[in-house]
Amino acid sequence: QVQLVESGGGLVKPGGSLRLSCAASGFTFSDYYMTWIRHTPGKGLEWVAYISSRGVSIYYGDSVKGRFTISRDNAKSSLFLQMDSLRAEDTAIYYCAARLTGTNAFDIWGRGTMVTVSS
Amino acid sequence: EIVMTQSPGTLSVSPGERATLSCRASQSVSSNLAWYQQKPGQAPRLLVYGASTRATGIPARFSGSGSGTEFTLTITSLQSEDFAVYHCQQYKDWPLSFGGGTEVEI
Repeated sequence: QVQLVESGGGLVKPGGSLRLSCAASGFTFSDYYMTWIRHTPGKGLEWVAYISSRGVSIYYGDSVKGRFTISRDNAKSSLFLQMDSLRAEDTAIYYCAARLTGTNAFDIWGRGTMVTVSS
Repeated sequence: EIVMTQSPGTLSVSPGERATLSCRASQSVSSNLAWYQQKPGQAPRLLVYGASTRATGIPARFSGSGSGTEFTLTITSLQSEDFAVYHCQQYKDWPLSFGGGTEVEI
């Protein structure tokens, strides 16, 4: 069964850090480009970060550039998002997702993990 | 950055009716556009990519059209399970960007 499972979310104070993880199963993780996308009720979906299958190409959204770092461990079929200098506006549900081959549309999604940044 | 604008924000329809959702890009994205459906408490589900290609397992009542800057998602004969929020996403350029969503409600 194709599956992505996020973990690592929680409550953190402004300026703090969190590391999100995404465990993949049921498909050859090392073949897939991966991304993090977040969702807030007020702002909708926002693309956060993207990493190619071998980690050579990495892109970030403007709002997180310099604060977040995406990485992956293909041997462990895992994707990560290191989030530093967190702000209240980073509060969201964070989803990991896998790219549909040949496009940058995303057809495999996890259930998400909630990140709340509040004092 | 390419800004995606969806309209209307909310669409009220009855089961069995047709729903037409719009998505506009601030500059051409060619056919590099996807549509997603999201229900409360769930992750988005890919419906359409390449502006008009249905993703695996998506019913034929969902159809996408358009290219350049103007796109449409049409849902013919709405079923109860279709009431949800629909998002468009461009993947022509970095940063990838989403529209604000259209809620389809009864």
